Amino acid sequence: EAGVAQSPRYKIIEKRQSVAFWCNPISGHATLYWYQQILGQGPKLLIQFQNNGVVDDSQLPKDRFSAERLKGVDSTLKIQPAKLEDSAVYLCASSLGPGGIYEQYFGPGTRLTVT
Amino acid sequence: DQQVKQNSPSLSVQEGRISILNCDYTNSMFDYFLWYKKYPAEGPTFLISISSIKDKNEDGRFTVFLNKSAKHLSLHIVPSQPGDSAVYFCAARADNQGGKLIFGQGTELSVKP
Repeated sequence: EAGVAQSPRYKIIEKRQSVAFWCNPISGHATLYWYQQILGQGPKLLIQFQNNGVVDDSQLPKDRFSAERLKGVDSTLKIQPAKLEDSAVYLCASSLGPGGIYEQYFGPGTRLTVT
Repeated sequence: DQQVKQNSPSLSVQEGRISILNCDYTNSMFDYFLWYKKYPAEGPTFLISISSIKDKNEDGRFTVFLNKSAKHLSLHIVPSQPGDSAVYFCAARADNQGGKLIFGQGTELSVKP
């Protein structure tokens, strides 16, 4: 079974530029998560989708971050414009469903450096 | 507000000995706790979990203990192996929050041969 795929693996941009990350979850997984992991910290949930609907985006900086999952499968996370403090690893995870009984599987992440 | 805390950023253990990683939490609504293991350049992978109705869960060399009154959990690895060297994250979940995981800062374990 293929795991969660993410691209690109690495990205370097200048502040005020825009960037987009892509995630392909495990086949059949209805729930998709985007996490931000800043160096020295644990992952922090940015947004959670159930199929193509948003379940939780309470910690997404909506003035600059946006995410979509149009067909309930792949997802993209965009930052526009980027700030220095956005430098982090962006992790995508998926699970069969929401709630406590479903294990989350993580992709390898995209390491973003904003200069 | 750090709801899940791992106060030791690093731990070094000799091969064959026990590794004990600690985690504290503040939210009494958490009802499920997980440990994830992360190698460099990879995403976290699930290791072991425990429900709040239990105080111990064991899986091979890995055991997680939960002390609800102290809001504390620990992960024991016995015996430790060099391949266990990784960053370990403690995470907690409240069932009424749709699967959202709250992670600690992580502890980097180094197991020396």
